[in-house]
Amino acid sequence: KQEVTQIPAALSVPEGENLVLNCSFTDSAIYNLQWFRQDPGKGLTSLLLIQSSQREQTSGRLNASLDKSSGRSTLYIAASQPGDSATYLCQTGANNLFFGTGTRLTVIP
Amino acid sequence: NAGVTQTPKFQVLKTGQSMTLQCAQDMNHEYMSWYRQDPGMGLRLIHYSVGAGITDQGEVPNGYNVSRSTTEDFPLRLLSAAPSQTSVYFCASRDPRQTSNEQFFGPGTRLTVL
Repeated sequence: KQEVTQIPAALSVPEGENLVLNCSFTDSAIYNLQWFRQDPGKGLTSLLLIQSSQREQTSGRLNASLDKSSGRSTLYIAASQPGDSATYLCQTGANNLFFGTGTRLTVIP
Repeated sequence: NAGVTQTPKFQVLKTGQSMTLQCAQDMNHEYMSWYRQDPGMGLRLIHYSVGAGITDQGEVPNGYNVSRSTTEDFPLRLLSAAPSQTSVYFCASRDPRQTSNEQFFGPGTRLTVL
């Protein structure tokens, strides 16, 4: 079974800092890796999807990378803003998709 | 496209009651899944379906039944609700025939079992 881990569980940074969120997985036989954002009490918003053949994807201030051989993905957020405060989840797998437990990000004004 | 829709948004049940959480998608996706989200546990897969008439168990299937009579609908049934089933339930769909195989989520159903 695929095991997905996200470290740290919580992160607090001052506004304007660049930051990196980590996601690791145990089985490299994946279709893709998807990063989501979840605000408290809300649903999941898809941020970026990296296909297994890709190394990275970018959207605005967000950049996600994927290294299948080492079982790792990172989500880089540039120039963080208070509005970035949320829980960030990664999901990956093959026939079944599994989630990490998330990183709760707080950006302090 | 409405995407993935779920009803109801909120539900309170008493122990032992039964109910069905509804999920529908209008994207002609083959794969549909049900997840539950609990504090500190992330999202865990309950049941999934790879097409109409085909369902299988995920990580935490006990206490839940599913069926997939059409491509569009994937209801989740609680036959005898227990307090341990208090959670937020998310339905998702994707199409592995598409290169991205991106997963789309519904808005969730918040269930409380007293």
